[in-house]
Amino acid sequence: DAKTTQPNSMESNEEEPVHLPCNHSTISGTDYIHWYRQLPSQGPEYVIHGLTSNVNNRMASLAIAEDRKSSTLILHRATLRDAAVYYCILGGGSQGNLIFGKGTKLSVKP
Amino acid sequence: DVKVTQSSRYLVKRTGEKVFLECVQDMDHENMFWYRQDPGLGLRLIYFSYDVKMKEKGDIPEGYSVSREKKERFSLILESASTNQTSMYLCASGQGGLYSNQPQHFGDGTRLSIL
Repeated sequence: DAKTTQPNSMESNEEEPVHLPCNHSTISGTDYIHWYRQLPSQGPEYVIHGLTSNVNNRMASLAIAEDRKSSTLILHRATLRDAAVYYCILGGGSQGNLIFGKGTKLSVKP
Repeated sequence: DVKVTQSSRYLVKRTGEKVFLECVQDMDHENMFWYRQDPGLGLRLIYFSYDVKMKEKGDIPEGYSVSREKKERFSLILESASTNQTSMYLCASGQGGLYSNQPQHFGDGTRLSIL
């Protein structure tokens, strides 16, 4: 199964942009890159996903490297409510189901 | 918005009991999933279903079974509960069939304690 590597934790200041990196050097050509986040005492929440092109939605942007071996989730203006564990996951295509790793714990300081 | 509802937020059962965890989704999704989440281990897939009466084993199916008699409902069954099944259980649903790349929508989880 293709794996992802993320930093264990990151810190950000409120209202500043946050760039959360993810490495996935063994990604296959049909694997989608998914991002989820989990707030304390809640189930994971879908954030964004993409295949090759950069993607934007109301929550975040996803920047995918040209060789697809890495990606970056961008929160344009962090708020205190964005403090959560962020998971970068490969899924769909040959991967079948989402395999969650340990994620990055994002702390946001006022 | 998609809603995935799990029957209980907290549940306490005894060793050897048969335990049912229920999950209902309201978006007519084909796929439904059961995960457990443990500290340091992340989310692990127990079983999933891509259609009514269809089921597939995930990474850790031992000690569990599932039932999907209706499209909107997916039940997880602990046949004879043991203390190592104390965990947070998460249900999810998503569009598309097997190998779908569509997002999964999660419930808020059931924290199950087996005494």
